[in-house]
Amino acid sequence: AQSVTQLDSHVSVSEGTPVLLRCNYSSSYSPSLFWYVQHPNKGLQLLLKYTSAATLVKGINGFEAEFKKSETSFHLTKPSAHMSDAAEYFCVVSVERAAGNKLTFGGGTRVLVKP
Amino acid sequence: DGGITQSPKYLFRKEGQNVTLSCEQNLNHDAMYWYRQDPGQGLRLIYYSQIVNDFQKGDIAEGYSVSREKKESFPLTVTSAQKNPTAFYLCASRPASGGFNEQFFGPGTRLTVL
Repeated sequence: AQSVTQLDSHVSVSEGTPVLLRCNYSSSYSPSLFWYVQHPNKGLQLLLKYTSAATLVKGINGFEAEFKKSETSFHLTKPSAHMSDAAEYFCVVSVERAAGNKLTFGGGTRVLVKP
Repeated sequence: DGGITQSPKYLFRKEGQNVTLSCEQNLNHDAMYWYRQDPGQGLRLIYYSQIVNDFQKGDIAEGYSVSREKKESFPLTVTSAQKNPTAFYLCASRPASGGFNEQFFGPGTRLTVL
């Protein structure tokens, strides 16, 4: 079985300051991990993915995440928040052996960016 | 443009009615998925299909039905048996080849039961 826990349901940052979204996972097998972003009433867009290559993954819009197996974490960071980063973010785990390549979603972190 | 389209964007249903949500993709992806999203929660898998004419139940299939007669289409019917159907519904697809391909999502349909 696999599961994902996003440690903060809401994060508030000021524009230009760093963003940190925390994610812990559990998996019986080597996982793939993803971060998706969702703007209001929109579908999900992939920010980045980890698939057992480099542990530091760079994504779109200046985001990056580091896979730490010893801590079972995959935290998402951005050095400087922009107003357009206000959205909901989902940490997602997938295991190859899961039938249908099913994804397991965290509960989401809603990011508020203050001017 | 390649992508996933869902229609309608907003849908209103009276209690006791069945409704069908459309999902079409022109990405030539083999696998397609339906998710339900409720406020403050992550996505939950309703049904998925890995090939034409075949589909499997996800975690919350009760009260829903699907068909996969064409590779590009995966419609979802919300039946009157679904007790709390008001939610945001998202369709996704991915190529079958490879182990860890991400899923690509459509823009969603918001269903409200009146």
